[in-house]
Amino acid sequence: EAQVTQNPRYLITVTGKKLTVTCSQNMNHEYMSWYRQDPGLGLRQIYYSMNVEVTDKGDVPEGYKVSRKEKRNFPLILESPSPNQTSLYFCASSSRGRQNTGELFFGEGSRLTVL
Amino acid sequence: GENVEQHPSTLSVQEGDSAVIKCTYSDSASNYFPWYKQELGKRPQLIIDIRSNVGEKKDQRIAVTLNKTAKHFSLHITETQPEDSAVYFCAASTRGGAQKLVFGQGTRLTINP
Repeated sequence: EAQVTQNPRYLITVTGKKLTVTCSQNMNHEYMSWYRQDPGLGLRQIYYSMNVEVTDKGDVPEGYKVSRKEKRNFPLILESPSPNQTSLYFCASSSRGRQNTGELFFGEGSRLTVL
Repeated sequence: GENVEQHPSTLSVQEGDSAVIKCTYSDSASNYFPWYKQELGKRPQLIIDIRSNVGEKKDQRIAVTLNKTAKHFSLHITETQPEDSAVYFCAASTRGGAQKLVFGQGTRLTINP
């Protein structure tokens, strides 16, 4: 089954404790991206990756890091989480090139609470 | 960069009536405009999209219109049903596809029986 898998789905942590949210896709997609969803603000892009070893900042990258060492994985790293990073996070992927239909496939979301 | 504004933020309609959600975008180079539906507790999913070389696209009860001159596009849902209740997001991209999508703030649509 084609899917984007995120872990953990729910996490409560404390300020300053480093955490990683993993994202994996099995569709051989070149493009992957992280969004955060906050009430009234929609989905805002944090980072994206056009392919392995190619990453770039989105609209709200402060406080986050990413890496793309393998095509299928795109982890989101919060080195020192703060309460303003409490949010619902979505990983997404899409194909590029001739197979690019434009559709962005989302994971199920990871709800993060930073105390 | 691109900025997408979406209105209204909430919309309530009677079952069977039509619903219209509107979005405006700022970057005239934007060429791809998808709409995503997010049911409660679920992930966003693509329901329809339109590219800048087309003015209107329909898929059963949903349609999207695009006015490039005015830089706005709209989602139209006819004969609304309870399962249409969800949050809808519009988005725009200058890359012709899913890359660098900028989303609107979302519209919570409620269908009243």
